Amino acid sequence: AQSVTQLDSQVPVFEEAPVELRCNYSSSVSVYLFWYVQYPNQGLQLLLKYLSGSTLVESINGFEAEFNKSQTSFHLRKPSVHISDTAEYFCAVSRGYGGSQGNLIFGKGTKLSVKP
Amino acid sequence: NAGVTQTPKFRVLKTGQSMTLLCAQDMNHEYMYWYRQDPGMGLRLIHYSVGEGTTAKGEVPDGYNVSRLKKQNFLLGLESAAPSQTSVYFCASRAPGQFNEQFFGPGTRLTVL
Repeated sequence: AQSVTQLDSQVPVFEEAPVELRCNYSSSVSVYLFWYVQYPNQGLQLLLKYLSGSTLVESINGFEAEFNKSQTSFHLRKPSVHISDTAEYFCAVSRGYGGSQGNLIFGKGTKLSVKP
Repeated sequence: NAGVTQTPKFRVLKTGQSMTLLCAQDMNHEYMYWYRQDPGMGLRLIHYSVGEGTTAKGEVPDGYNVSRLKKQNFLLGLESAAPSQTSVYFCASRAPGQFNEQFFGPGTRLTVL
């Protein structure tokens, strides 16, 4: 069975500091990997995804994540955070895209708190 | 294009009462999902549907029923609400295919007293 572990439940950082949110997954088969962001009192929005190809994927707002198959990790990084990045971030995995394989398994989330 | 909408946004029930949560999407997506979000637990899949007229159980289906009579709607029912069902419920939809993401609704906050 697949599972997703987000190692930090809360990450406080100061504005303009770098941040890394860690995500590890367990699966015996190839997977698709996702990071979703949830701003306060809102639904989830896709931040970025890894399906295949280049192991480094980037979002439009400066986040990036690197797929590391040997370490079964998909850590999320940003070199300089803003107050507006304060949100909860969820790592998720799926086995594929058809039928139940497209179902997402979520980690428990990491709350990023950016302080001035 | 409203995306995924959920009705109602908030609801308070007493133990034993029943209710239905409505999810609607206007993107012509085949797949639809119901999740619950609890503090420190992430999102857990309740039920899902891969097309009109089909439904399947997810990770935590007990106490819930669903129906997908129309492609654009996915209903989540609680026949006899329990305090353990106090949660925030999210609906999502997705088009089939490798590169298609799940789009989430704004959520329904349900409290069962």
